Amino acid sequence: DGGITQSPKYLFRKEGQNVTLSCEQNLNHDAMYWYRQDPGQGLRLIYYSQIVNDFQKGDIAEGYSVSREKKESFPLTVTSAQKNPTAFYLCASSPAPIYYEQYFGPGTRLTVT
Amino acid sequence: SQELEQSPQSLIVQEGKNLTINCTSSKTLYGLYWYKQKYGEGLIFLMMLQKGGEEKSHEKITAKLDEKKQQSSLHITASQPSHAGIYLCGADVGGGYQKVTFGTGTKLQVIP
Repeated sequence: DGGITQSPKYLFRKEGQNVTLSCEQNLNHDAMYWYRQDPGQGLRLIYYSQIVNDFQKGDIAEGYSVSREKKESFPLTVTSAQKNPTAFYLCASSPAPIYYEQYFGPGTRLTVT
Repeated sequence: SQELEQSPQSLIVQEGKNLTINCTSSKTLYGLYWYKQKYGEGLIFLMMLQKGGEEKSHEKITAKLDEKKQQSSLHITASQPSHAGIYLCGADVGGGYQKVTFGTGTKLQVIP
């Protein structure tokens, strides 16, 4: 079955540590996205990538980094520079150029204490 | 302030009742999309509206776009427990690259 996987489902880290969230897709989609969801704020775009080896900052990229070395993988690193990292993180992909028909993974809930 | 405002923020309805969720944009809409999310999970794309007056249906869910008002409404007929979840509207409001701006979401509970 095709889809997007994110792991782990729940992640706990101490403040000051970097943490990498995994996102893998086998839908053969060119575009991939990372969003952050906070209560009452909807989804906010962190980074997106339209093609391998290329990615762009979204609306809230500060404190995050990504890589796109393979078409099917788009890992997100939450660095210690991110001031409020505790959130629900969603990865998505879309068949470019149909950017709005995004397929989402199940999400990773990150808690930093 | 949010570019996309949804109302109501939450809704509790009895099974079998109809309901409407609204999504209003503060900017010109180039496309309006509806998604559904079950709590703690990813989003599922429901439908896309692009033209003023356009109306689309997905099972018992109907969405309409009022381009002049920069608003879309999502209507569920004869609600069922399976309709429960968070409904989010998304839109292309320009900005230099093709991306989806999301609303804050409407949490729907359906009571048997």
